[in-house]
Amino acid sequence: EDQVTQSPEALRLQEGESSSLNCSYTVSGLRGLFWYRQDPGKGPEFLFTLYSAGEEKEKERLKATLTKKESFLHITAPKPEDSATYLCAVQPYNTDKLIFGTGTRLQVFP
Amino acid sequence: EPEVTQTPSHQVTQMGQEVILRCVPISNHLYFYWYRQILGQKVEFLVSFYNNEISEKSEIFDDQFSVERPDGSNFTLKIRSTKLEDSAMYFCASRTFRDRVGAEAFFGQGTRLTVV
Repeated sequence: EDQVTQSPEALRLQEGESSSLNCSYTVSGLRGLFWYRQDPGKGPEFLFTLYSAGEEKEKERLKATLTKKESFLHITAPKPEDSATYLCAVQPYNTDKLIFGTGTRLQVFP
Repeated sequence: EPEVTQTPSHQVTQMGQEVILRCVPISNHLYFYWYRQILGQKVEFLVSFYNNEISEKSEIFDDQFSVERPDGSNFTLKIRSTKLEDSAMYFCASRTFRDRVGAEAFFGQGTRLTVV
């Protein structure tokens, strides 16, 4: 069964304290892996798409990487405005749907 | 910047009533989706729609649910007879393509449906 597991469930960081969020996946064939940011009461906001093992994408303080079994979202020198829930989703082959993990709730304190 | 627009933002309905959730996808997108998120749980796929027909649906999307693209801009989700367990945030999403460039799905801000 296709599955996405994210860890940790929650992460508290001091401003400037870098860390990584993990997304482990089991999928019959990976068409793409997606990272989203979700603020409370809002819809997921697209961050990155990764297609192949070894691929990396960067945007401001965020960097996403992909291996054959997992993806990492690295946050460098986070700021309080980076506080949100970060969602990982996979799209298997032969399907239109995204399968989401439960997310990592990130809190960054000044 | 183009965005997916959903209305209403919040809807309260009585059990057994019909509700229609509305979405305006991004204009040049070809694939349309509904997802839902029960409070505190993960985002779950409901249905995908392409070329004026359903291309895929989940087990959640039973006979009580239907989707429609009544004109060139709107995309709707209808729940015929709501149940308490239908209470959730419903998200509409759209994307240009299924593969590679343009495959990222953009989500609306959601409609919070509360069934009482």
